[in-house]
Amino acid sequence: EVQLLESGGGLVQSGGSLRLSCPASGFTFSSYAMSWVRQAPGKGLEWVSTISGSGGSTYYADSAKGRFTISRDKSKNTLYLQMNSLRAEDTAVYYCAKEIYYDSSGNFDYWGQGTLVTVSS
Amino acid sequence: DIQMTQSPSSLSASVGDRVTITCRASQSISSYLNWYQQKPGEAPKFLIYAASSLQSGVPSRFSGSGSGTDFTLTISSLQPEDFATYYCQQSYSAPRFGQGTKLEIK
Repeated sequence: EVQLLESGGGLVQSGGSLRLSCPASGFTFSSYAMSWVRQAPGKGLEWVSTISGSGGSTYYADSAKGRFTISRDKSKNTLYLQMNSLRAEDTAVYYCAKEIYYDSSGNFDYWGQGTLVTVSS
Repeated sequence: DIQMTQSPSSLSASVGDRVTITCRASQSISSYLNWYQQKPGEAPKFLIYAASSLQSGVPSRFSGSGSGTDFTLTISSLQPEDFATYYCQQSYSAPRFGQGTKLEIK
C-alpha cells in the first residue's frame, strides 16, 4: 500500500522559512517523480514543484521559483520542500504526491493527507 | 500559461442521476487531461488520466471523454459517496487545475 505522510507544517511569520518532509512507503521511491501540490483554505489546487525519480531534474511553478527548493533522499525514501521568504499567500495545505512515471508527467496518482502551512503577516 | 475552466462551478443532483462536468482548456492539450475527486478534509483522489482512461479501482460509472480543448467527466448513476468536488487538470505543460466543481445532494 502506497503511503505518503507529510510533516513540517506550522505557523511562521512572513519572511520566515519551513521545511516540509514526506516519507514514502509501499513503492520503489526512486522509480517515480514526486511533487508538491498546495491548496489555500477554501480554494482550489495549485501545483508547486516536481522532482524526477533520480532527483536530477526539478521543476517549479512561477510562484515558487527562487524561494522554494524541492529535493529527495533515496536512502530515507523521503521528499522535501524547503520554503524560504514565505508570504501570506503561501498559506495552504501542502500535499505530497507521487507521479505515475519516473520523469515529470503531471499525473498524480497517490497523495498524502497534507500538512498545513500558515504564514502570518 | 494554459488556463483550465470548469463548468458548472456547482451542481445539485440526486442519487441515481447522470451528471456531466465540463472542462475547457485555453489552448489545445491533446488528451493530456486528468480528473480528481476531493471530499472535505481529504486529499484528492486520481480518477481518470489521459482524458478517458480509468484509474485502477475507480468504479466504472465514472467516464471521461474529449480531446483538444473540450473535455467531460460523466458519472452515469450518482451514488451517495460521489458527492464531492471534482477537479480537471492538464498535464500538457506545467500542471494546472480547473477551479473545481462542487457536486451537492439535491
